[in-house]
Amino acid sequence: DAGVIQSPRHEVTEMGQEVTLRCKPISGHDYLFWYRQTMMRGLELLIYFNNNVPIDDSGMPEDRFSAKMPNASFSTLKIQPSEPRDSAVYFCASSGLASVSYNEQFFGPGTRLTVL
Amino acid sequence: QKEVEQNSGPLSVPEGAIASLNCTYSDRVSQSFFWYRQYSGKSPELIMSIYSNGDKEDGRFTAQLNKASQYVSLLIRDSQPSDSATYLCAVNILSNFGNEKLTFGTGTRLTIIP
Repeated sequence: DAGVIQSPRHEVTEMGQEVTLRCKPISGHDYLFWYRQTMMRGLELLIYFNNNVPIDDSGMPEDRFSAKMPNASFSTLKIQPSEPRDSAVYFCASSGLASVSYNEQFFGPGTRLTVL
Repeated sequence: QKEVEQNSGPLSVPEGAIASLNCTYSDRVSQSFFWYRQYSGKSPELIMSIYSNGDKEDGRFTAQLNKASQYVSLLIRDSQPSDSATYLCAVNILSNFGNEKLTFGTGTRLTIIP
């Protein structure tokens, strides 16, 4: 099992640019989660999907953030336009296969985003 | 009040001793509780899950849950330098929209002193 795959691992961009983060969940998992981690706020849930459908996007900070899951094996998180305060590590996680409940989540390696 | 609270530490424990990590939560109906370990620069890794009151042991790790007191803890016996990491408590919280979602504490940084 390859685990959750995220790309890119590091992204440095300038304020105002569009940023797209990508995630491939573990095969067969039917839940996918996007998190953001900062020193100040810790690990925050941004949005999660069940069977490709967004269930809860209440953690998305503002309209500059959007997420899609066009199929069971791919999701994107887009920030447009990016701002310096968006600098953080963004994690994707998935759950569902061989789990007692949907909450046993497995995390990808993360994307470290720096907005200058 | 935060939904999931942990002492941020740092917590320093001598090698071979027992490390005790604590977590309190606000939602009385929570049913699922998890401990994740996160090494510096790495992603969170699930190490324990607990759903019922009492203790659950897995190797050197023991999770303890007391739903009446809304308290969950993690004990690490025979602490090793490799246990030095940040430990995140996560609790299944019922959101205002009626769905459940995993809410993380800010983590406790643990350092095992050789």
